[in-house]
Amino acid sequence: DAKTTQPNSMESNEEEPVHLPCNHSTISGTDYIHWYRQLPSQGPEYVIHGLTSNVNNRMASLAIAEDRKSSTLILHRATLRDAAVYYCILRDVSNFGNEKLTFGTGTRLTIIP
Amino acid sequence: SAVISQKPSRDICQRGTSLTIQCQVDSQVTMMFWYRQQPGQSLTLIATANQGSEATYESGFVIDKFPISRPNLTFSTLTVSNMSPEDSSIYLCSVGMGSLNTEAFFGQGTRLTVV
Repeated sequence: DAKTTQPNSMESNEEEPVHLPCNHSTISGTDYIHWYRQLPSQGPEYVIHGLTSNVNNRMASLAIAEDRKSSTLILHRATLRDAAVYYCILRDVSNFGNEKLTFGTGTRLTIIP
Repeated sequence: SAVISQKPSRDICQRGTSLTIQCQVDSQVTMMFWYRQQPGQSLTLIATANQGSEATYESGFVIDKFPISRPNLTFSTLTVSNMSPEDSSIYLCSVGMGSLNTEAFFGQGTRLTVV
C-alpha cells in the first residue's frame, strides 16, 4: 500500500479555515485519496475522497495537487466539533475486492475557542 | 449507507478469559473488517471477513487468538481469546460498500479492558 505522511498535530482558531496537508509521493494512478476523521470516543467517519479533481461536499473540500503527490483537506470554518484526528488514506482500485483501509498516524486537530 | 451496531460497547474482563464482540449491519455487505486501536494509537487491521469463506488475517494476527465468524451478510463476531492486559484496546468493526470509490462505515467500537 502506498503511504501517506501527515503532521502529527495542528491547531486552529474557531471559525477560521483549516488546511490539513497530506503527502503521498508514491501514489499510483489508480489510488483514490480518502479522508476520515475520528472524534473522541467514536469510530472513524468519512469526510471526503477524490481521484484527480478537487472535490467539495457539505463537510469539507479536498484540493489535490496536479501531480497527485499531495493533497489538502480544507475545513472552511472550523468549529469546536471539528476537533478530531484526521486520517489521509490511499485506496488502490487495482486491489478491488479488498477494500481495506490502511490507517497512518493521522493529524490531531485542536480547535481553540 | 450503512449503520453498524457493536456489542458490547465496553467490558472489563479477567485475564485468561475470552470475549466475543458482535457487529450487526443494517444492510447486506460483502466485506467486513475488524480493527484494533490500542490506547493513543491509530487503527490496525486485524482481519477481513467475507461471508462463506475463512477470514483473512493481517500479519501479526492469528486465528487462534482472534477467531472470526461471518454467518451471513449482515453479521460478524470477533473473539479475543485467552486475554492478557496487552489486549486492552478498542475493537472496531467496519464495512465497505462494494466500491473503492465510496465511503467505508465504522461501528462505535468496543472498549476492552483486561485486568
